[in-house]
Parts: sequence; C-alpha cells; structure tokens
Amino acid sequence: QMQLVQSGAEVKKTGSSVKVSCKASGYTFTYRYLHWVRQAPGQALEWMGWITPFNGNTNYAQKFQDRVTITRDRSMSTAYMELSSLRSEDTAMYYCARSDVFGELIYWGQGTLVTVSS
Amino acid sequence: QSVLTQPPSVSAAPGQKVTISCSGSSSNIGNNYVSWYQQLPGTAPKLLIYDNNKRPSGIPDRFSGSKSGTSATLGITGLQTGDEADYYCGTWDSSLSASNWVFGGGTKLTVL
Repeated sequence: QMQLVQSGAEVKKTGSSVKVSCKASGYTFTYRYLHWVRQAPGQALEWMGWITPFNGNTNYAQKFQDRVTITRDRSMSTAYMELSSLRSEDTAMYYCARSDVFGELIYWGQGTLVTVSS
Repeated sequence: QSVLTQPPSVSAAPGQKVTISCSGSSSNIGNNYVSWYQQLPGTAPKLLIYDNNKRPSGIPDRFSGSKSGTSATLGITGLQTGDEADYYCGTWDSSLSASNWVFGGGTKLTVL
C-alpha cells in the first residue's frame, strides 16, 4: 500500500543544517506533488514547500525561501528537505505529504523530529 | 498568523453536533478546493475531507464539509470522545506567482 517513510530524529546545533528524507512506496513516485510541512511544539501546521518529482520543480513558502531546499532522487523514490542556518525556533516535527487530484494532502509520513539547540 | 482563519477551540457533549469554520479569501478558498485534516494527539495529520465535501474511504459519514464563497465548514455529528483532536483546513493560495499551500491555524475540539 501507499507509504511515506521518513528518516529518524535529528539533534542539531544552532547554525547547522539538517536533511530529512521521505521514501515513497506503493505508487508511481513521479505522479503527484510532494509537500513538506512542519509543526513546532503546540503550534499549527506550517507549509514549507513542494516538489514535483517528475521534473524537480519546486516552490517554497516565502518564510523559508532562503533557507530550505527540497530535492528528489527518482531512482530511489525519495524526496529530501534540507533546512540551513538552524535556530531554536526550527525545533519541530517535519512531515512529508503527497498530494492528490484536487491538491489535498492524502498521505503523510510519520514525521521526523528535529531538535535544535546550542 | 495563518492565511486561513479558524476558531482556536470548540467544544460539545458526546452525541452532539459541532461545526468548525475556515475563513479565507478569493485567492485561496474562493477559487480552490478545501480539504480538512484531523490530527489526534501525537500522530500525523489525516485527511478527513477533500474537494470541499468528499470523504476518503474509511471516513465515517458523521464528518461532512461544505464551502460557500470564501469560507468553508467542517461538521461533525454524533460526537465521540475519540473525535477529540486538532482540526485543520487547507487549500491552495494563488496570490503569488506560484501556488502555495496554506493551512488554517487549527481548531482544538473538546468533547465534554
């Protein structure tokens, strides 16, 4: 069945970068957008960006424009989200999610907790 | 603050009905499909409603969605304690050159 499996929890230092992976299975990887969404502790969902796995096109939320890079490896059916210049406010659960016909985020990864401390 | 506006919290007794509103603009809800997500404590969000009012397979018909103009509403009837969760609306926003996805600020449902 359709699955998105993310990499494990990370603990990072302030100012460093983190790269989270999202491996897709059970469907044609190039078929739909893959989004990255984050959720700080006790806070709302926050959209970060999407990638079209077919051609690698991306679009990022303005807030993260200069710090986030979303890529994919079609041969591995895997998408990646790299966030640089980490600060304590980036401590959050990071989710990947696949969109469907009308744009709805139909499948979600299990989440990857990123903790940033000095 | 979020592009889409939701009430921070709603509450109702078991068996009762509750509605959660989601207000936006012509650049998002007004011209795009709305979806709703349920997030139980400590879990990833789950798609509840898509295309404004459609339910994915496995979602009970106690959950319903509607849209009018630049607002959308999630309805839950026959409330159960297991419905206690955070609920989010989401849709595309085309106010910039490329479409961004936007969420509401989330609504915490308490079943008293």
